[in-house]
Amino acid sequence: NAGVTQTPKFQVLKTGQSMTLQCAQDMNHNSMYWYRQDPGMGLRLIYYSASEGTTDKGEVPNGYNVSRLNKREFSLRLESAAPSQTSVYFCASSVGNHYGYTFGSGTRLTVV
Amino acid sequence: DAKTTQPPSMDCAEGRAANLPCNHSTISGNEYVYWYRQIHSQGPQYIIHGLKNNETNEMASLIITEDRKSSTLILPHATLRDTAVYYCIVAAQGGSEKLVFGKGTKLTVNP
Repeated sequence: NAGVTQTPKFQVLKTGQSMTLQCAQDMNHNSMYWYRQDPGMGLRLIYYSASEGTTDKGEVPNGYNVSRLNKREFSLRLESAAPSQTSVYFCASSVGNHYGYTFGSGTRLTVV
Repeated sequence: DAKTTQPPSMDCAEGRAANLPCNHSTISGNEYVYWYRQIHSQGPQYIIHGLKNNETNEMASLIITEDRKSSTLILPHATLRDTAVYYCIVAAQGGSEKLVFGKGTKLTVNP
């Protein structure tokens, strides 16, 4: 039972480079989410997808794009990375209720 | 913004009960209280949730005051592995409202 799998686990980018963070879940969950967590801070919602084929902005969407490729996969893209995007990124999924959130182990991204 | 207020840190002795408070004075009638925890930069983990009745599961107990303006998460016999950041969140179940994580309470369980 893998749950929520995020790749890569670590990444260093140069300012201006682009990359895509991958997330996949094997629990047949409808909803998927991307959060970021800065040092000493709580998690902030970037984007979410309530169901396959839909995506919506969260609290801090600027500088990011997402794709809900299918029910299993939800990717986060940084088109032109900036140092302010240095953070830990968590993907989560749920059946649609709040007590069913399952989080991945995170992607630690550094932009230099 | 988070709708809850939690102390930034707490300490507890191993084997003793850990009582983590949370204020949510503006909670609406259809909003639940959820607790998650995050152990050392791992992804958050669901603990428990409740609407107005006290709840208990294998991990913890949740006590909600009668006016629902505050609650307490109780870890009955804290272990070193319970050292984590604990988040108290209020949200309506389902629907379009998403979980908003504040800064939580850093619980340190001491040997």
